[in-house]
Amino acid sequence: DTAVSQTPKYLVTQMGNDKSIKCEQNLGHDTMYWYKQDSKKFLKIMFSYNNKELIINETVPNRFSPKSPDKAHLNLHINSLELGDSAVYFCASSQGLAGVDTQYFGPGTRLTVL
Amino acid sequence: AQTVTQSQPEMSVQEAETVTLSCTYDTSESDYYLFWYKQPPSRQMILVIRQEAYKQQNATENRFSVNFQKAAKSFSLKISDSQLGDAAMYFCAYRSAYSDYKLSFGAGTTVTVRA
Repeated sequence: DTAVSQTPKYLVTQMGNDKSIKCEQNLGHDTMYWYKQDSKKFLKIMFSYNNKELIINETVPNRFSPKSPDKAHLNLHINSLELGDSAVYFCASSQGLAGVDTQYFGPGTRLTVL
Repeated sequence: AQTVTQSQPEMSVQEAETVTLSCTYDTSESDYYLFWYKQPPSRQMILVIRQEAYKQQNATENRFSVNFQKAAKSFSLKISDSQLGDAAMYFCAYRSAYSDYKLSFGAGTTVTVRA
């Protein structure tokens, strides 16, 4: 069974569109994250939720809005897509917020904005 | 903010040989966690090994081991008996034990394994 899953795995869209990426974890974890990996493979945190509460919002444009309907899901909605949003977006989860809690990553969603 | 530096963009190793990837970090904290993640061409991020800063003993996972030098703020990964399946990008990451719950990643090192 997949621990952290993301849909879709590939997303190609036009500038100005609105799109969503879904993430689900079946590990029973309390904490979920969104990371962005740019074209140079650099990974950076975007958001973190703990028990559906926003913990980290790392200076991300407000066109990006995470939503956590329950502890097992953390979706990422992006409005007015721009060329610079093209990247791979990773969802991750961990048992909790403690440093000892390992983060497990989903397979990533490759977003291409044309 | 913590900075993680991987100074080797690429490394090449002969199959069955050993390769060591370097990682240094900058922090003022005394307690933290360090990780190595592997990203193969499938792009899945896979945890390779984890080290707690308060533990002096270096972590080991099968063919993967680390050399953790706390005073030098160095955390290198050694891959022994390299296999073709080890070919991937390897990321070093730092996580505070107190706050700032994110993982801070280095820029990555691409490992190529020659048959």
